[in-house]
Amino acid sequence: DAGVIQSPRHEVTEMGQEVTLRCKPISGHDYLFWYRQTMMRGLELLIYFNNNVPIDDSGMPEDRFSAKMPNASFSTLKIQPSEPRDSAVYFCASSLNPGALSYGYTFGSGTRLTVV
Amino acid sequence: AQTVTQSQPEMSVQEAETVTLSCTYDTSENNYYLFWYKQPPSRQMILVIRQEAYKQQNATENRFSVNFQKAAKSFSLKISDSQLGDTAMYFCSGGTSYGKLTFGQGTILTVHP
Repeated sequence: DAGVIQSPRHEVTEMGQEVTLRCKPISGHDYLFWYRQTMMRGLELLIYFNNNVPIDDSGMPEDRFSAKMPNASFSTLKIQPSEPRDSAVYFCASSLNPGALSYGYTFGSGTRLTVV
Repeated sequence: AQTVTQSQPEMSVQEAETVTLSCTYDTSENNYYLFWYKQPPSRQMILVIRQEAYKQQNATENRFSVNFQKAAKSFSLKISDSQLGDTAMYFCSGGTSYGKLTFGQGTILTVHP
């Protein structure tokens, strides 16, 4: 098992540009989570999916952020337009079905986003 | 857990010694799970240890153990025989078996030779 795969590992973009972060969860995992990590705010949950359906997007900062999960093996987090305050490390994580969440998440290696 | 608090922003320890990282949480759930994650400089989040709230016995994983005090809503991590590779940020987290985990702010642990 290759684990949770995120791409790109690093992204540098100019303010106003569109940014798309990608995630491939572990096969068979029904839950997918997007977190953002910053020094000031720590790890914040942005959105999570269960069986490809968004369950809770209350952590999405504003309309500039959107997330999709078109199938069980792929999810994207898009920022349009990007701003310098979006600079952070974005993590994707996945987990098994209800009950097995008690075993915690498996995280990807994160995408470090820098908006200049 | 609905809130998770780590009150120690930074800790340090000498190699081979023991260190304890503190965590408190608050939840209205009866059945929940608590975790410690390690984030080394590589930034990969690694699960260190887990505790089921309905189990009174404290979890242990080799040099890592927890002190779970349910009534006090405390969940501390003890690292014995600290090694240089233990240098990392440590996150306490909690949640139910349905849905999201909530994370504390993290504690940066430095192990000195």
